[in-house]
Amino acid sequence: AQTVTQSQPEMSVQEAETVTLSCTYDTSESDYYLFWYKQPPSRQMILVIRQEAYKQQNATENRFSVNFQKAAKSFSLKISDSQLGDAAMYFCAYRSDNFGNEKLTFGTGTRLTIIP
Amino acid sequence: GAGVSQSPSNKVTEKGKDVELRCDPISGHTALYWYRQSLGQGLEFLIYFQGNSAPDKSGLPSDRFSAERTGGSVSTLTIQRTQQEDSAVYLCASSRTEVRSPLHFGNGTRLTVT
Repeated sequence: AQTVTQSQPEMSVQEAETVTLSCTYDTSESDYYLFWYKQPPSRQMILVIRQEAYKQQNATENRFSVNFQKAAKSFSLKISDSQLGDAAMYFCAYRSDNFGNEKLTFGTGTRLTIIP
Repeated sequence: GAGVSQSPSNKVTEKGKDVELRCDPISGHTALYWYRQSLGQGLEFLIYFQGNSAPDKSGLPSDRFSAERTGGSVSTLTIQRTQQEDSAVYLCASSRTEVRSPLHFGNGTRLTVT
């Protein structure tokens, strides 16, 4: 079974600065997908960024980028120019490419605080 | 609708009562998932539907929990004889069939068992 580990329960960053959230995972599969989701106080999970394991290039979405290290099974999220609206819980998630095992496996989350 | 809709938004029930939680997925999404999120915790997988069938029920914590999906659309999660430990936010998500498709989540139902 796959596991996802987020070792930082809480992080804080000054507004406009850069912060990196860590995520590691354990799998024996070679093809899979990795995601970062954001959960603000409204409870809704919002997709931030997605990475396909077969792609070597790191995914980017505006101020959000990832550092995907497949051999190390690491998938960190970098938020540049942090904004107050970035404050939320961030969850890293793994999804197998195997039919019948499509569920997302989540880490325990990192609570990000933005300091004005 | 434009997104995944869950009802009710909040539910308070007495221990021992049955509850039903509803999820309306995004139109055209064949896959539907139920997750549970206890206070301050991550998301715990409960069950996954592909169409009306549930190929993965491995996360249902006990036989008090059941779920069904009809017409490849609406899903209902039923908890019988609720216990205090069932108190949590229950999140529903849907996606297209392709594995690379992301899950789209609803706002969840906060269940409180008193």
